[in-house]
Amino acid sequence: DQQVKQNSPSLSVQEGRISILNCDYTNSMFDYFLWYKKYPAEGPTFLISISSIKDKNEDGRFTVFLNKSAKHLSLHIVPSQPGDSAVYFCAASFSGGYQKVTFGTGTKLQVIP
Amino acid sequence: GAVVSQHPSRVICKSGTSVKIECRSLDFQATTMFWYRQFPKQSLMLMATSNEGSKATYEQGVEKDKFLINHASLTLSTLTVTSAHPEDSSFYICSAALAGGGSKETQYFGPGTRLLVL
Repeated sequence: DQQVKQNSPSLSVQEGRISILNCDYTNSMFDYFLWYKKYPAEGPTFLISISSIKDKNEDGRFTVFLNKSAKHLSLHIVPSQPGDSAVYFCAASFSGGYQKVTFGTGTKLQVIP
Repeated sequence: GAVVSQHPSRVICKSGTSVKIECRSLDFQATTMFWYRQFPKQSLMLMATSNEGSKATYEQGVEKDKFLINHASLTLSTLTVTSAHPEDSSFYICSAALAGGGSKETQYFGPGTRLLVL
């Protein structure tokens, strides 16, 4: 049972434009969400997170939006840069101290120069 | 920054043999380490949570006798796939969480181990 879904396996965006990566979840008990970035032959690295008490969190070029009623979150990257080309994983968790996270299937982003 | 290594990065073995994968936190102590498995075009699936000095906690559906986890020190956890079969072929990734609690953001991932069982 895939509780966190990323329905777009890949996305191509022109350099300088906005990249929008989407993620849906089914478990309404999730209240903490994270995005990870993964380059080939490397492990995922943490990018940005958001708690369910917020609907937006911004860090430089990266913004995560959360729509709790729709159980949907998205990651916006603007402007997109070629170095952003990677696989992006959405993940969901619980805001308690336990660190277990549930990952989505990933979206491969390609930023074209 | 915090670095987690895995060894080997790639292993090919015959069906029925056992394979050990090491996960090391190189510059920090990790109270908790996690083991994930990723099949092609699927998400990272948590297999087990390993706490230093205690037995691992396995996720539902993961055979603890087949996937032996040992977390003998604050910098090393091992995953042994016993009597490996072709269906165990997968990409195995570990992550390490900072000692003292830390947060979900401070969970650092290794580069993964590609296992192919012939």
